Amino acid sequence: DTGVSQNPRHKITKRGQNVTFRCDPISEHNRLYWYRQTLGQGPEFLTYFQNEAQLEKSRLLSDRFSAERPKGSFSTLEIQRTEQGDSAMYLCASSLVRGSYNEQFFGPGTRLTVL
Amino acid sequence: RKEVEQDPGPFNVPEGATVAFNCTYSNSASQSFFWYRQDCRKEPKLLMSVYSSGNEDGRFTAQLNRASQYISLLIRDSKLSDSATYLCVVITSGTYKYIFGTGTRLKVLA
Repeated sequence: DTGVSQNPRHKITKRGQNVTFRCDPISEHNRLYWYRQTLGQGPEFLTYFQNEAQLEKSRLLSDRFSAERPKGSFSTLEIQRTEQGDSAMYLCASSLVRGSYNEQFFGPGTRLTVL
Repeated sequence: RKEVEQDPGPFNVPEGATVAFNCTYSNSASQSFFWYRQDCRKEPKLLMSVYSSGNEDGRFTAQLNRASQYISLLIRDSKLSDSATYLCVVITSGTYKYIFGTGTRLKVLA
């Protein structure tokens, strides 16, 4: 399968713990995105990378959240001192930007539950 | 006001019916538009891009009205397998991030 992969698929943690998620994009894609989706809502943009550079961060991304893409390939999203409000599906997407066309391909997501 | 708004539904329709969804956007600088489909507890998948002149893909037709700032999706001859949430996506000029609507739930009934 050459699609976007995410690990773990599910994570249950206690409030106050740190968690880290990994995303492996489609190999030739230069852009990588993180979104968060809660029940009954559409995904909300968190941040994106072009190669290893983080180009934009949403105001939703508090100081407890950090994302990296150190070699321009896989990315990690870390949440420190988790809160119950962080419970959501965290989706990663990647794209190969060609001109103005930008179809994003999504991974299966990591479902986070904070107890 | 949200940047992208959709009626959350659910729309319950019988098999074979025609159903239409609208999506309105607030930023006139929006330049690209998509419809994505999301099945329960799955990731969103591209259904179709929306072009200025309108476009059709089998039973699905997408249209863009820039003057009124809305896009639409028409599904003809609904199938049970069309049951899903349909997400409207807008991209603003100068950025590549997706702005999603809340999604419209469709249930096609036998």
